[in-house]
Formats: sequence, C-alpha cells, structure tokens
Amino acid sequence: TQLLEQSPQFLSIQEGENLTVYCNSSSVFSSLQWYRQEPGEGPVLLVTVVTGGEVKKLKRLTFQFGDARKDSSLHITAAQPGDTGLYLCAGGSQGNLIFGKGTKLSVKP
Amino acid sequence: DTGVSQNPRHKITKRGQNVTFRCDPISEHNRLYWYRQTLGQGPEFLTYFQNEAQLEKSRLLSDRFSAERPKGSFSTLEIQRTEQGDSAMYLCASSTGHINEKLFFGSGTQLSVL
Repeated sequence: TQLLEQSPQFLSIQEGENLTVYCNSSSVFSSLQWYRQEPGEGPVLLVTVVTGGEVKKLKRLTFQFGDARKDSSLHITAAQPGDTGLYLCAGGSQGNLIFGKGTKLSVKP
Repeated sequence: DTGVSQNPRHKITKRGQNVTFRCDPISEHNRLYWYRQTLGQGPEFLTYFQNEAQLEKSRLLSDRFSAERPKGSFSTLEIQRTEQGDSAMYLCASSTGHINEKLFFGSGTQLSVL
C-alpha cells in the first residue's frame, strides 16, 4: 500500500519567515501533486512534479521532487497571512490519488 | 463560474436515513471522482467515472454507498442507512483524463449524521 507522510502536521509562524514542509513515502510515484485547501473548500492544485530532481517555482513557493521520486518538499519564502491553509501532497495517476494528511500552516501578521 | 458544483453544501441527517449528494463537473471533463475527507485527514478516494462508466471503486465504498453518472454529465452519490461514521466532507472532482491530469475539486458537501 502506498502511503504519503507529511511533516510537520502543524506549523505556526510569523509573517516574513521562511518554511519548508515535507512529503515522504517508501514508494516510488510517477508524479506528485501539491494542493492547498482552505476551511470549508475543496483542495486547489498548486503544482505537479514529474521528473526526479525537478524543481518548480510558483512566485514565493518552491517545489522539489526527490531524485528517487519518493519524496517532495515545498518551501515558502517570506510567508504571508494569505499562505495560511492546509497543504496536501498527493501521488498516483489517473485520478486515484493518494493524499497525505497535510500540513496545517498558520501565518500570523 | 464554470467550476465543479456540489449540492447541498451541508447536510444534517439522523442515523439510518438515506442521503443523496449531487456533483456537476466542468462541462468538457469526461472524468468525475468522489473523495471523502474526515477531520485531520487528507481526501480518500472513493470512486471514479469515465463518462457514464464507473471504472474503479475503493474498498472504502461499502454496499451502502452507490454512485451514478447516468448521462456522463452530473453524478449522484447516495448513502443508505447512514451511520455516524459516515460524517465527513464528500468532495467531487473532475478532469480531462489526460496523464498527470489536473483535478478540479468542488467545495464539497459536509455531512453530519446525528
């Protein structure tokens, strides 16, 4: 059974700080996706990483896929209150995605 | 707005009652998925459709659960004889079905079984 473990589970930081959250598995994934979810809403896709070692940037967010395609990280530079939310990683293909439990991020002004 | 639409947004029911949720996907998307999310957990896959065909069902989908997509457009998820453990957010998503596809999620239906 493929599992995705995310850490930390909770993170509370001040505006302007940098942070990194992690998504790890013992299984190889053909691709990993990162989503952000706000309370009472569905997840919204941020990025898909496909190639081992790949790095993608989305404004202040940097996503990295591990060389062995078993892990991924999300780094946020100069976090803002608008970054607050649940960050989920998901792996698999053809829609039967396996999600991690997420990292709940709170950025205080 | 042409995003994924789910109705109702909230449903409160008594244990033992039947409930039905509706999902309207993005119109040109031929794949439709149902997920369930409980507090503190990520979404868990339940089932998906390619047009009107239900192609995969999770072991989480007990025989009290049934999903349909009769004309390949909207879908319904019915839960019969609800139990308190069914309380969760039920999320619908749609996609084009291409490899490494992007899933578009609706806002979900929050079910509370009393």
